[in-house]
Amino acid sequence: EPEVTQTPSHQVTQMGQEVILRCVPISNHLYFYWYRQILGQKVEFLVSFYNNEISEKSEIFDDQFSVERPDGSNFTLKIRSTKLEDSAMYFCASSVGDRPSSEAFFGQGTRLTVV
Amino acid sequence: AQTVTQSQPEMSVQEAETVTLSCTYDTSENNYYLFWYKQPPSRQMILVIRQEAYKQQNATENRFSVNFQKAAKSFSLKISDSQLGDTAMYFCAFMGGIIKAAGNKLTFGGGTRVLVKP
Repeated sequence: EPEVTQTPSHQVTQMGQEVILRCVPISNHLYFYWYRQILGQKVEFLVSFYNNEISEKSEIFDDQFSVERPDGSNFTLKIRSTKLEDSAMYFCASSVGDRPSSEAFFGQGTRLTVV
Repeated sequence: AQTVTQSQPEMSVQEAETVTLSCTYDTSENNYYLFWYKQPPSRQMILVIRQEAYKQQNATENRFSVNFQKAAKSFSLKISDSQLGDTAMYFCAFMGGIIKAAGNKLTFGGGTRVLVKP
């Protein structure tokens, strides 16, 4: 069964360093998302991406964040200068269509720890 | 902005029994979609069930069913014949029905931890 794949599963980084979280969405999907979940808190929307551009972003997604689909298969989230409060689980998701009934499939997440 | 509230942080249930999880939401939209996601210890988010607001009939997926009360903006999940594998965090989520140019985001509640006891 096709699935969304995220790498790495766990990343530890020093405050101020740049990190890139990688995702391989399901191959025929066209809509991509990043969500994050701070430990013990709710899952929060970060950004949605379609046709090689951001379609919507939340207040969390400030200038420190960027997304890219560099090669037609990977979908990356970059955090330029990590802060302690960026420590969270980051989930990538993708869906095949734009209709609300189009199910979003989630990856297994990347746990980011900023020290 | 939409908000989703899950008032039960944790619930436990005996194996084979039934448990009901509460969810309320706030929106000014008339057409929208509601979801329940399961997050087991592996942390992956798995879709359990979905409900379209324009459908009056409550959705059912095997042992999982919902009670959708549109006027009350309530969307509860019932897990029947609970199994040990149902132990997980359960999130209620809202998606607006207006089709955007590039997909629709999910707004999640805070989650309810369900523990199924043998």
